[in-house]
Amino acid sequence: GAVVSQHPSRVICKSGTSVKIECRSLDFQATTMFWYRQFPKQSLMLMATSNEGSKATYEQGVEKDKFLINHASLTLSTLTVTSAHPEDSSFYICSARDRGQGITSEAFFGQGTRLTVV
Amino acid sequence: DAKTTQPPSMDCAEGRAANLPCNHSTISGNEYVYWYRQIHSQGPQYIIHGLKNNETNEMASLIITEDRKSSTLILPHATLRDTAVYYCIVRSYHSNYQLIWGAGTKLIIKP
Repeated sequence: GAVVSQHPSRVICKSGTSVKIECRSLDFQATTMFWYRQFPKQSLMLMATSNEGSKATYEQGVEKDKFLINHASLTLSTLTVTSAHPEDSSFYICSARDRGQGITSEAFFGQGTRLTVV
Repeated sequence: DAKTTQPPSMDCAEGRAANLPCNHSTISGNEYVYWYRQIHSQGPQYIIHGLKNNETNEMASLIITEDRKSSTLILPHATLRDTAVYYCIVRSYHSNYQLIWGAGTKLIIKP
């Protein structure tokens, strides 16, 4: 299947600093990518939908100024957690669909990024 | 998108078939059933999806009832590596491809 690469897989940062997470579709183009957050023992929660060449669409309750999303190309989306605080510590996951496939085709997921803010 | 209901956990013996049920009684005609799994501390992995007909691939089989109100994911010969949380999701192709995740079923394969 198609591959989505997420980097870094783990990051520890100090409170108040910013962290950038990259999500790349390696062998397909993705017009739309999705960013999720997952707290321990909980399910995935959609944070935002990233659209190539336009602004991201954020879910209710997600601060757009804190979680900056950039989708500058058809193979790369980035999520920047700005002024991180310990409560932002979580598992962040991206996903993407191959725009060359049908509208009901499956989404592919990155391996996730474990963010720890100390 | 329709809501799904899954048992919180299940056990299965290694080598046996694992049958994971999912109820989606409010599913509408244009909604597909998708199954993903998530092994601990990894991103979700796609397994299979279907609309009306039963589907089979190299990983699993998906059985959808005639009224489409429930489905069963079948792992024919479970191995220890199949231990994971399995998510059943229904999605309309009108929903901008978003997946709404429930709590899933924690499947534990026992030796």
